[in-house]
Amino acid sequence: GESVGLHLPTLSVQEGDNSIINCAYSNSASDYFIWYKQESGKGPQFIIDIRSNMDKRQGQRVTVLLNKTVKHLSLQIAATQPGDSAVYFCAENIGGSNYKLTFGKGTLLTVNP
Amino acid sequence: KAGVTQTPRYLIKTRGQQVTLSCSPISGHRSVSWYQQTPGQGLQFLFEYFSETQRNKGNFPGRFSGRQFSNSRSEMNVSTLELGDSALYLCASSLNRYGYTFGSGTRLTVV
Repeated sequence: GESVGLHLPTLSVQEGDNSIINCAYSNSASDYFIWYKQESGKGPQFIIDIRSNMDKRQGQRVTVLLNKTVKHLSLQIAATQPGDSAVYFCAENIGGSNYKLTFGKGTLLTVNP
Repeated sequence: KAGVTQTPRYLIKTRGQQVTLSCSPISGHRSVSWYQQTPGQGLQFLFEYFSETQRNKGNFPGRFSGRQFSNSRSEMNVSTLELGDSALYLCASSLNRYGYTFGSGTRLTVV
């Protein structure tokens, strides 16, 4: 039968506003996390990462917050621009001898001019 | 420096055929991973190679295979293609287990 697409959470913001994209990760043993941005027809683009020994990390216009107690990750984008419109994925890595990323289903961010 | 290069960008194959996709990692990166992205299942891990050795494999049938060459370039092969194999196949490279960089992907359509 026809496959049903993943129902992506969506976030719509006005240009210039701050955006917060949330992600609940699955494995309490995960010790490395990455946020990716994916535009239509392109591969995921690295935005920022954080290791489990940190709670917060800042980049250019972006901040990632990690709450290990509730297994929650968030990406904050300051002064959101139309070029930020894309699907955003969080990914986790368990570490040790595990070399794969497990991705969340993504959030579609739409920035209205 | 050059990013991760995947070829070809687009492919159309018929059911039952086989296909080989290629990935050239960032220079110096020895780890190459492959992922399948579909609207129904999202991004799913296929396998990962380091120094020509497969270190991890995802939950895909044996029709999906891969290899890595001594120059770290990697190929993945899908045999006996099924309609459900239509997807964007993504390759990522990393220096160690941090900072995975993805290529633009190969869009495979099986008809």
